[in-house]
Amino acid sequence: NAGVTQTPKFRILKIGQSMTLQCAQDMNHNYMYWYRQDPGMGLKLIYYSVGAGITDKGEVPNGYNVSRSTTEDFPLRLELAAPSQTSVYFCASSDFRAEGEKLFFGSGTQLSVL
Amino acid sequence: KNEVEQSPQNLTAQEGEFITINCSYSVGISALHWLQQHPGGGIVSLFMLSSGKKKHGRLIATINIQEKHSSLHITASHPRDSAVYICALMPNTGNQFYFGTGTSLTVIP
Repeated sequence: NAGVTQTPKFRILKIGQSMTLQCAQDMNHNYMYWYRQDPGMGLKLIYYSVGAGITDKGEVPNGYNVSRSTTEDFPLRLELAAPSQTSVYFCASSDFRAEGEKLFFGSGTQLSVL
Repeated sequence: KNEVEQSPQNLTAQEGEFITINCSYSVGISALHWLQQHPGGGIVSLFMLSSGKKKHGRLIATINIQEKHSSLHITASHPRDSAVYICALMPNTGNQFYFGTGTSLTVIP
């Protein structure tokens, strides 16, 4: 299994540009998440999904959109990029079992908006 | 109100020292994760705990569900242990993980 695959690793955007961060997992996890991590800060939830076709907002959803058309993929769309969206983005997935949830993270995307 | 409290926020240790990082929480959970993030690196799950104790090499994690408290111990610390350690949990009634603010550990040779 590849786990959680997140692309790209780095990206520089100009203000007003758009882009999609890709996230795919091959573990058949129902739960997927997008987080952002600002320098020296903790993880903040942007959006999450509990299964294909179901998404919900997290703590900081403004300026982002998501879709979950399949169990495997959970892309994050940035529309009209702003400097405030400069951050490191992490995708994660989890699976609920009797002994608790397993949690896996992608390798992160460092995004700069200039 | 933060559902997950982690301490200390920063920790500097000499190589070889025994290290303890604490996590207290206020909600009912099924399991708790200890995560490790190296500077500029990704995030990996070190342990998932639902009860008792787990050990992996020099790392030991314990949890007391009744007291809503977990600890991560590092024995014989090494400079390569320098990282941010994060406590994460999901409430029994929720869909989202709650994260501690992280403990930044620096181990000096």
